[in-house]
Amino acid sequence: GGIITQTPKFLIGQEGQKLTLKCQQNFNHDTMYWYRQDSGKGLRLIYYSITENDLQKGDLSEGYDASREKKSSFSLTVTSAQKNEMAVFLCASSIPKSQNTLYFGAGTRLSVL
Amino acid sequence: QQQVRQSPQSLTVWEGETAILNCSYENSAFDYFPWYQQFPGEGPALLISILSVSDKKEDGRFTIFFNKREKKLSLHIADSQPGDSATYFCAASQGGRALIFGTGTTVSVSP
Repeated sequence: GGIITQTPKFLIGQEGQKLTLKCQQNFNHDTMYWYRQDSGKGLRLIYYSITENDLQKGDLSEGYDASREKKSSFSLTVTSAQKNEMAVFLCASSIPKSQNTLYFGAGTRLSVL
Repeated sequence: QQQVRQSPQSLTVWEGETAILNCSYENSAFDYFPWYQQFPGEGPALLISILSVSDKKEDGRFTIFFNKREKKLSLHIADSQPGDSATYFCAASQGGRALIFGTGTTVSVSP
């Protein structure tokens, strides 16, 4: 088995601050994802990457940057944190095939003061 | 526009009852429909899935019923247990593309 590790678990930021979230996986999966989870809105795709150095925008990419420098890691940057923003950011990985099974990390919980 | 919709938003059942969670979708090209289960403080995990060529998929106490014509599916949890208390997400994808998730249904099972 493998594991997805997200750091930090909790992140408190200031309005306008640039914040970086990190994700590591040891499944040796090719594809990695970042989803944002808001109460009542489900999971929305921010970015995904099908291989090292590849980036694909999801529906919610505005306000975020992503980086896939190694196969095992995928980072997400909130370019300017919004006041009172609260959300959980979930990282996932999968093997690319017609039916992907996503393996999720436990999430990073963001609060912006 | 929400491409995958779920109802109800929350659901409470007694232990031993059947919980029924509903999902509908917009895109008739979606061909893969997984359900993910999420416990508090954890990431979602795949519970059960169905392809659009099937109308039913069973795995223990969990059953998906799929109606392609109406673009609807449902997850039935038979003999609900307190350990089934979680949030359940319906998702859909087309041709191996990234999954699109619904808004989730939170299930509480009372002993």
